Amino acid sequence: GAVVSQHPSRVICKSGTSVKIECRSLDFQATTMFWYRQFPKKSLMLMATSNEGSKATYEQGVEKDKFLINHASLTLSTLTVTSAHPEDSSFYICSARTSGRRGTGELFFGEGSRLTVL
Amino acid sequence: AQSVAQPEDQVNVAEGNPLTVKCTYSVSGNPYLFWYVQYPNRGLQFLLKYITGDNLVKGSYGFEAEFNKSQTSFHLKKPSALVSDSALYFCAVRVMDTGGFKTIFGAGTRLFVKA
Repeated sequence: GAVVSQHPSRVICKSGTSVKIECRSLDFQATTMFWYRQFPKKSLMLMATSNEGSKATYEQGVEKDKFLINHASLTLSTLTVTSAHPEDSSFYICSARTSGRRGTGELFFGEGSRLTVL
Repeated sequence: AQSVAQPEDQVNVAEGNPLTVKCTYSVSGNPYLFWYVQYPNRGLQFLLKYITGDNLVKGSYGFEAEFNKSQTSFHLKKPSALVSDSALYFCAVRVMDTGGFKTIFGAGTRLFVKA
């Protein structure tokens, strides 16, 4: 299957600093990528849809100024958690969808990034 | 509202026995349904999907799922469970939103297979 690489896998930062997480599609072009947040023993919460060359679409309740998303190329999307606080500690997962008849392609996921804010 | 439900937080099964992980959905129109598996501290891996056609869909690692329109269900099954199948399983539905298609996940079901 298609490969999505996410980096870093783990990051620990101090409160108030910013952290950038990268998501790359290694063997296919992804015009659309998705960012999810997963709380312990909880399902994935879609944060935003990242569209190459345009602004991301954020889900209701997600602060766009806090979670900055940039999708500058067909293979790279970044999520920057700005002025991180302990409540932002979580497991962040990106995914990209392969091409397919409208809406039918499966999602391929990165390995996830565990953020711990001290 | 469009949603997907996994009624069981956890499923326990002995190795070699058949397993079923339940999923029901509520969507308008024809559903696009998916199953994913997640191992500890990892991303999700695609198992199988139903778009159209045969109601019984076969996927990776010997898993299969049956689409039942009348019961709005898409249960995941495997005839003979392995200890290595122990993981977190997510059912998902693809829905159309103002920004395009997006995938909604169920709460997840943790599968424990005992040797």
